[in-house]
Amino acid sequence: NAGVTQTPKFRVLKTGQSMTLLCAQDMNHEYMYWYRQDPGMGLRLIHYSVGEGTTAKGEVPDGYNVSRLKKQNFLLGLESAAPSQTSVYFCASSPRGWGYEQYFGPGTRLTVT
Amino acid sequence: AQKVTQAQTEISVVEKEDVTLDCVYETRDTTYYLFWYKQPPSGELVFLIRRNSFDEQNEISGRYSWNFQKSTSSFNFTITASQVVDSAVYFCALSLNRDDKIIFGKGTRLHILP
Repeated sequence: NAGVTQTPKFRVLKTGQSMTLLCAQDMNHEYMYWYRQDPGMGLRLIHYSVGEGTTAKGEVPDGYNVSRLKKQNFLLGLESAAPSQTSVYFCASSPRGWGYEQYFGPGTRLTVT
Repeated sequence: AQKVTQAQTEISVVEKEDVTLDCVYETRDTTYYLFWYKQPPSGELVFLIRRNSFDEQNEISGRYSWNFQKSTSSFNFTITASQVVDSAVYFCALSLNRDDKIIFGKGTRLHILP
């Protein structure tokens, strides 16, 4: 069991470029989440999904889009990267939503110059 | 408003000392879950414990213990006889009834000095 994996681990983008972060889980979890972690800010939820084909906005969704075409994958897209999106991005999954713990991936460190 | 406060931004203790990480939460819900996560220097968050609002029993797991007190809206985490491997950022989190999201505190960075 790989658990939750994220691709890539590191990336440097120039302002205005686009990219997609891939999250994959092999635990057959229904719920998946994308967070960003910035110094002093803790974890902030970007978008989440309660099942295949569904997505919902979190606390800081602007500038990001997501898709959940397959149950095991959750993609986070940046259409036009900005320096404010420099952060560490974490994906998580959970068997259910409310009340259940989330299992996290190793993170993706993104720098936008 | 729902909120999780970890007032201790950073703590340093010498190895083998006991240390308590504070967590205070705010919610008007009577049904909720509380969590603790550990983020070691490697970066990946690791789930430690989940506690529901109807279970105020303290929990002990090896050198780790958790004290849940609804009267003070606190869910504190104590590490006994700390070790260097306990150095990490620790997050407290709250999950509210019927909400699929978890509200995280900003974390406490713990340094265990050899």
